Amino acid sequence: AQSVTQLDSHVSVSEGTPVLLRCNYSSSYSPSLFWYVQHPNKGLQLLLKYTSAATLVKGINGFEAEFKKSETSFHLTKPSAHMSDAAEYFCVVSGWTGRRALTFGSGTRLQVQP
Amino acid sequence: GAGVSQSPSNKVTEKGKDVELRCDPISGHTALYWYRQSLGQGLEFLIYFQGNSAPDKSGLPSDRFSAERTGGSVSTLTIQRTQQEDSAVYLCASRGESGNTIYFGEGSWLTVV
Repeated sequence: AQSVTQLDSHVSVSEGTPVLLRCNYSSSYSPSLFWYVQHPNKGLQLLLKYTSAATLVKGINGFEAEFKKSETSFHLTKPSAHMSDAAEYFCVVSGWTGRRALTFGSGTRLQVQP
Repeated sequence: GAGVSQSPSNKVTEKGKDVELRCDPISGHTALYWYRQSLGQGLEFLIYFQGNSAPDKSGLPSDRFSAERTGGSVSTLTIQRTQQEDSAVYLCASRGESGNTIYFGEGSWLTVV
């Protein structure tokens, strides 16, 4: 079984300040973890993924995430927020097969203030 | 194709009409998924295909919903006798045999009036 908890439903930051979106997971096996972003009226875009290689994963648009097995966390960070980062972010855990190959977190809405 | 393609991108239909939503996955991807995202809600799993087979259809919300996949490629999600609560974004995704990354289409935005 697997599950994902996104600890904040909304996060608001000022432009130019750091972003932290928190995600905790549970999985009965070594998971693959993803962050997807969804801009208003758009589909889901893959930001980055962890697949048991390096624990610090770099993604697009300056985002990165660190896999911490001891804390069962996969928090998403960015050093400096940009207005275009305003979107909904989903933390996702994946299994290889089966109908629920993707388990989504409930999402975090990131607001960036000028 | 280069990405997952969905059509129509937007559909407005009258209550009681049938609608068909199409998904064209990334070429060679064997696994195909349908999800639904209602306004302000998370993603709801609907159905998963491996090749042309749907091992589990229990995510479909009612018997008005059905899906098929032919030739291991294109999939069609059909909603019969649409209701207002069917209004949502219907997202299709695909995954290759050797990979575990799932790629999403832009979605089909369905509005039932």
